[in-house]
Amino acid sequence: GQNIDQPTEMTATEGAIVQINCTYQTSGFNGLFWYQQHAGEAPTFLSYNVLDGLEEKGRFSSFLSRSKGYSYLLLKELQMKDSASYLCAVTGGGNKLTFGTGTQLKVEL
Amino acid sequence: SQTIHQWPATLVQPVGSPLSLECTVEGTSNPNLYWYRQAAGRGLQLLFYSVGIGQISSEVPQNLSASRPQDRQFILSSKKLLLSDSGFYLCAEILGGTQYFGPGTRLTVL
Repeated sequence: GQNIDQPTEMTATEGAIVQINCTYQTSGFNGLFWYQQHAGEAPTFLSYNVLDGLEEKGRFSSFLSRSKGYSYLLLKELQMKDSASYLCAVTGGGNKLTFGTGTQLKVEL
Repeated sequence: SQTIHQWPATLVQPVGSPLSLECTVEGTSNPNLYWYRQAAGRGLQLLFYSVGIGQISSEVPQNLSASRPQDRQFILSSKKLLLSDSGFYLCAEILGGTQYFGPGTRLTVL
């Protein structure tokens, strides 16, 4: 089976950096995804990590350590529009994703 | 690129009534399609997935069913809705190894 843990809520200040952690325990692992979901909307794809290391995409970066079952999403230069839920998801094969419950990020002035 | 359509966008139904939610995708032949439900304050739960016409795999036993009558059409149904069926229903497609979601249907069962 799959088990994914993320913090429930985080608060950060506009312009700052925030790191959202995700730990997972899986029977198989093919890759890890991060999605952003604004209230009332569908999730949108942010990043995909299949190998260890850091993937950078603009203000967002995602890190993976397969040996530790650990990932984080790093958001730099926070903006108010970054207030959203951030979902960590793991695929163990068969193109099926198991999602964490998400981390609700609130960006304050 | 891909485009995923879902309708209706919102739905309010009484307990015990039937349900039919439709998802159609553009731009991809023989896509892998998925139905998820997101209940209030909870994570995304995979309900069904399909790798082709008439091929449905159920992840969670419940009073919902799915069908895939055409290559790019995926339907979620119920004969009798329960209060616990309320939630945000999302259709998703795999493209290049990544899942992309449709806009969703918000279902409220009263």
